[in-house]
Amino acid sequence: GENVEQHPSTLSVQEGDSAVIKCTYSDSASNYFPWYKQELGKRPQLIIDIRSNVGEKKDQRIAVTLNKTAKHFSLHITETQPEDSAVYFCAPSGTSYGKLTFGQGTILTVHP
Amino acid sequence: DTGVSQDPRHKITKRGQNVTFRCDPISEHNRLYWYRQTLGQGPEFLTYFQNEAQLEKSRLLSDRFSAERPKGSFSTLEIQRTEQGDSAMYLCASPMGSATGELFFGEGSRLTVL
Repeated sequence: GENVEQHPSTLSVQEGDSAVIKCTYSDSASNYFPWYKQELGKRPQLIIDIRSNVGEKKDQRIAVTLNKTAKHFSLHITETQPEDSAVYFCAPSGTSYGKLTFGQGTILTVHP
Repeated sequence: DTGVSQDPRHKITKRGQNVTFRCDPISEHNRLYWYRQTLGQGPEFLTYFQNEAQLEKSRLLSDRFSAERPKGSFSTLEIQRTEQGDSAMYLCASPMGSATGELFFGEGSRLTVL
């Protein structure tokens, strides 16, 4: 099965700083690379995703970059705000779409 | 704001009892997924349906677990003879697109086994 690791497990930044979370995976057949955000007591919500034919995707303050050769992809958040504080999960997926393998999560804290 | 409804939202039960959770997915999607999330961990895939057919089951789904989707609409997840290790959030999800892996999760059903 897919092995997924996220780093760091916790990340603390000051408001306005950038945050980067890296996800490594093992299955070379993975072709879909999403990031989910989960606030305390809430459901996981998709914030950005990328497919294996694209190297980078940006949506306002968030971006995802993919390195398929090295089997890792990263979440980049610029100009962080306190409301960005949450747990972020990567969840690569391969041939069985909708079957995601989640990382262990990164707790992001943005201090005002 | 969710298009996926789950019931009950919270369930406290004693070890050995049976529990059942219900999921009403986004109506136009023929796929439905169940995940489990324990405290401090990411969600783990349990099983999924295409219409009424259960197409894949994780090894996490022991014989005490059974899931159904009788008419290809709502789904139920039953846990028999609950154990303390079953305490978790049980999440149901619908795909957001017709040919993508994007999932829209419900708010989940939190199970506490005493």
